[in-house]
Formats: sequence, C-alpha cells, structure tokens
Amino acid sequence: QKEVEQNSGPLSVPEGAIASLNCTYSDRGSQSFFWYRQYSGKSPELIMSIYSNGDKEDGRFTAQLNKASQYVSLLIRDSQPSDSATYLCAVLSGSARQLTFGSGTQLTVLP
Amino acid sequence: DTAVSQTPKYLVTQMGNDKSIKCEQNLGHDTMYWYKQDSKKFLKIMFSYNNKELIINETVPNRFSPKSPDKAHLNLHINSLELGDSAVYFCASSQDFWEQFFGPGTRLTVL
Repeated sequence: QKEVEQNSGPLSVPEGAIASLNCTYSDRGSQSFFWYRQYSGKSPELIMSIYSNGDKEDGRFTAQLNKASQYVSLLIRDSQPSDSATYLCAVLSGSARQLTFGSGTQLTVLP
Repeated sequence: DTAVSQTPKYLVTQMGNDKSIKCEQNLGHDTMYWYKQDSKKFLKIMFSYNNKELIINETVPNRFSPKSPDKAHLNLHINSLELGDSAVYFCASSQDFWEQFFGPGTRLTVL
C-alpha cells in the first residue's frame, strides 16, 4: 500500500515567519515529489517539484528531499496571509506512474 | 488561455441517473487524468490515460468510465449515480507523467 502522510494541521504562523510543512512516504521506489497549494474551493496548483536529494529553492519556497529517510518538506519563508491554504504533498511512484497525495496540511498565516 | 478546462462546473442530479463531465487541455500534453476529492479533501487518482493506454485505479467502480476522443480531451461518464459519488472531480494533464496541472473541478452532488 503506497502511502503519503502529512500532518493535517492546522498550522498557524505569524506573518513574516517561516512555515515548515512535512511529508513522509512509504514507497522507497518513489521517483518524483511535488507540492501543491489548494485554496478553499479551488483546484490544486503546482508550486514545487523535486526529484533528487537535497534542497531546491524557488523564490520564497524551498523543497527538501531525503530519500534515505523517505521524507520531503516544504519551507515557506517570509510567510504572507496570501499563503494561507492547504498544502498537498504528492509522490509519483510505481509502474503505473500515478500520483499519490497526502491528506494535506492546512496553513494559516496570521497578519 | 485556460490550460485545463472542465464542464460543467456544478452538476446536481438524482440517484440512478447517468452523467458525463468533459475535460479539455490546450497544453499539448500526452497524458490526462481524473481525480476525485471527497468531503474530507482527500484527492485520489481514478484514471490516467496516455497514448491510448488506460490505467485504472482498482478501487474505482466500473460505473465510472473515461473516454478520450483525442489527446486533448478526456471525458468521464458515470452510470447509475449513487449518493457516495458526491465529490469534486478534477481533471489534470501532464507530459510523460511528470508535473500535473489541474482543471478547475466539477462539483457533483447526487440527491
């Protein structure tokens, strides 16, 4: 059973702080890892993808991957109220190459 | 300019009816997907369709059937609708099973 686990939250951080979102996955053969942001009533929006161990930075977002620990995280620096959303971790694995999503972490950035 | 579009946005119907949801992408991608997001916001793959190869999530009832007239379109037909089918259905597309881009969703309510 392929699983992707996230803390459901809610996670609250003050404006300007660093928000740290975590995700673990069970399938060691997983190939690619993604973070999606979903505002209430909207569709998931891809914000980061990471394929190899280490850090990947894009603006205020940094994705971190540790395949040995089966762990992927997303850091949001200088958090803004507009970052308040549910963040979904997704893992691509298996011969069918299908995405498995975590249940999401609800982030609230307080002004 | 819409990359992935779906119609209708809302669908309200009675139990036992048959309905269809349409999806179109103008990204030139070769793979399309249908996802179901339930009331707890859990997003789950239903189907992926790549170069006429259909991969079905084994948990999907056979009342659900995808149909792809061409690479840019993937429709979802649902027969004999049940109360438990109420959810938001998202279409997505990607190139070669990599980064997936989602449509706006169709909120299905079965009465």
